[in-house]
Amino acid sequence: GENVEQHPSTLSVQEGDSAVIKCTYSDSASNYFPWYKQELGKGPQLIIDIRSNVGEKKDQRIAVTLNKTAKHFSLHITETQPEDSAVYFCAASPTGYSSASKIIFGSGTRLSIRP
Amino acid sequence: DSGVTQTPKHLITATGQRVTLRCSPRSGDLSVYWYQQSLDQGLQFLIQYYNGEERAKGNILERFSAQQFPDLHSELNLSSLELGDSALYFCASSVDYNSPLHFGNGTRLTVT
Repeated sequence: GENVEQHPSTLSVQEGDSAVIKCTYSDSASNYFPWYKQELGKGPQLIIDIRSNVGEKKDQRIAVTLNKTAKHFSLHITETQPEDSAVYFCAASPTGYSSASKIIFGSGTRLSIRP
Repeated sequence: DSGVTQTPKHLITATGQRVTLRCSPRSGDLSVYWYQQSLDQGLQFLIQYYNGEERAKGNILERFSAQQFPDLHSELNLSSLELGDSALYFCASSVDYNSPLHFGNGTRLTVT
């Protein structure tokens, strides 16, 4: 089955700097890669996702890149702000029937933004 | 706000007891998923329902069961509780089985 590894487990960056979180996956059939942000006391919230027919996707200060050959994908946050402090989860799954039940999550990265 | 509502927010109970967690999906979402989040296990998929029918099972213990009602809300029943069942339980919903998941804010279960 699919296995998703996420690094680093904790990350501290100065406000205004960039943050990068990396994930690798094992199943070449995976072709949907969402990223979730979990703030304290809340559930994970989808912040961006990418499908395998796209190499990069941007949404304001966040971007995700995907390298299918190497089976890794990354989340990039630029111009970090205090509200970016949270736990971030990557995930991978195949698309198709019951795909959402096959989503495998990474172990999470706790991002702290230093003022 | 994701639109997924979970109750209660917190639950404290003793070993051996039985509890029920409730989830109301986003309006229009037919699919409901239950996840368990513990410190050392991350987000673990438990079970999925689609329009009232069970669609997929993950690492759900036999002591746990779930159902989705005609109004699409779902309940997760946990019985013969053990200390190790202490965790955050999240419900998520999606329009269909191939759409992004939207999570509720979870129920924190503490078994003493």
